[in-house]
Amino acid sequence: GAVVSQHPSRVICKSGTSVKIECRSLDFQATTMFWYRQFPKQSLMLMATSNEGSKATYEQGVEKDKFLINHASLTLSTLTVTSAHPEDSSFYICSARDPTRVTYEQYFGPGTRLTVT
Amino acid sequence: AQTVTQSQPEMSVQEAETVTLSCTYDTSENNYYLFWYKQPPSRQMILVIRQEAYKQQNATENRFSVNFQKAAKSFSLKISDSQLGDTAMYFCAFMKATGANNLFFGTGTRLTVIP
Repeated sequence: GAVVSQHPSRVICKSGTSVKIECRSLDFQATTMFWYRQFPKQSLMLMATSNEGSKATYEQGVEKDKFLINHASLTLSTLTVTSAHPEDSSFYICSARDPTRVTYEQYFGPGTRLTVT
Repeated sequence: AQTVTQSQPEMSVQEAETVTLSCTYDTSENNYYLFWYKQPPSRQMILVIRQEAYKQQNATENRFSVNFQKAAKSFSLKISDSQLGDTAMYFCAFMKATGANNLFFGTGTRLTVIP
């Protein structure tokens, strides 16, 4: 149980275009999902907390108009990178917590590698 | 603010031997959770072990165990009988028990198991 999927796993887009990444909780309902960014050989950096039915909470330094987050249902959160630039190339990972479990671990998606050319 | 420090960027261990990865953290919270996550080359984050701060007993999961020293704010991971499949990045992470449930990660330790 507690499986989180991400789609696509890999995407290449041209500079100036937008790309959407989906994060789904497959066997549980997640009121809260998290979006992380990971640069090569570095740790995960929290970008934003996605709350179902309300606005996302962005971490300091993350442009909310560039990284649009929508959490329209209890099993789906999307991250849209708008007007992508090469510096946005990175590995994006989502996670979710199953609120029905007494333990507090987060379950991670397999990640999406974004390359902006 | 919470910070998590992993002072060993890289470590190696012979297969079947034991290795300990270090982690320290800084927080003013009294109730919190600590985790070790493994990130193999596939980059899928996998939970290895978790510890609730209110529990004095150290968590154990098969070959993985922790040494949790709350007063010292230390949370090391011991891997016994290391296997080739243990080769991965290991991240120590902190989560507050109340409020936002986001994780604060350390910088990671790259572990290589040598056959």
